[in-house]
Amino acid sequence: DGGITQSPKYLFRKEGQNVTLSCEQNLNHDAMYWYRQDPGQGLRLIYYSQIVNDFQKGDIAEGYSVSREKKESFPLTVTSAQKNPTAFYLCASSMKGIDEQYFGPGTRLTVT
Amino acid sequence: QKEVEQDPGPLSVPEGAIVSLNCTYSNSAFQYFMWYRQYSRKGPELLMYTYSSGNKEDGRFTAQVDKSSKYISLFIRDSQPSDSATYLCAMSAPQGGSEKLVFGKGTKLTVNP
Repeated sequence: DGGITQSPKYLFRKEGQNVTLSCEQNLNHDAMYWYRQDPGQGLRLIYYSQIVNDFQKGDIAEGYSVSREKKESFPLTVTSAQKNPTAFYLCASSMKGIDEQYFGPGTRLTVT
Repeated sequence: QKEVEQDPGPLSVPEGAIVSLNCTYSNSAFQYFMWYRQYSRKGPELLMYTYSSGNKEDGRFTAQVDKSSKYISLFIRDSQPSDSATYLCAMSAPQGGSEKLVFGKGTKLTVNP
């Protein structure tokens, strides 16, 4: 059963702590993406990767970091430098050069 | 002017109604157009994908693109309570990759039984 998994579904952290969100896909997709969704803001691109060991900043990369050591995995770390980390985080993937992106179920991060 | 404009609603209709959801855009380079459906607290689900002007039909859903007016629509026929969700339009320009997918902010739809 192919798809994208994100874990955990809900995550709670104290301010000042780094936290890593997991994203795994078994669709054999080359490209993977991280978005942040806030009420009234739509989807904003954080980072994307089109190939293993390579990634690019999106529109709002400050305070975030990623790695792409395996084709199937694209974890996102929300660092303490991110001023407003509480949000719904969505991971997506696509075949390289194809625009259709497929999304995971999301992780809701709450930082207090 | 934002690249993609989408009325946030909310839109409330009775069951069985025809629903029309719309987006306008300003970038004439956009060539690929998508509609996603997002249920509350879930990830978006791709509904329709098209790259040409005209209509594309899939069951109760019809996607319409008018490139001359920079206007896209999603029509839902015989709407059902299970169609209650937020609908996002998305579009991109051909530039060798899909990293520049631009999303509308979404329209929240409620279909009342």
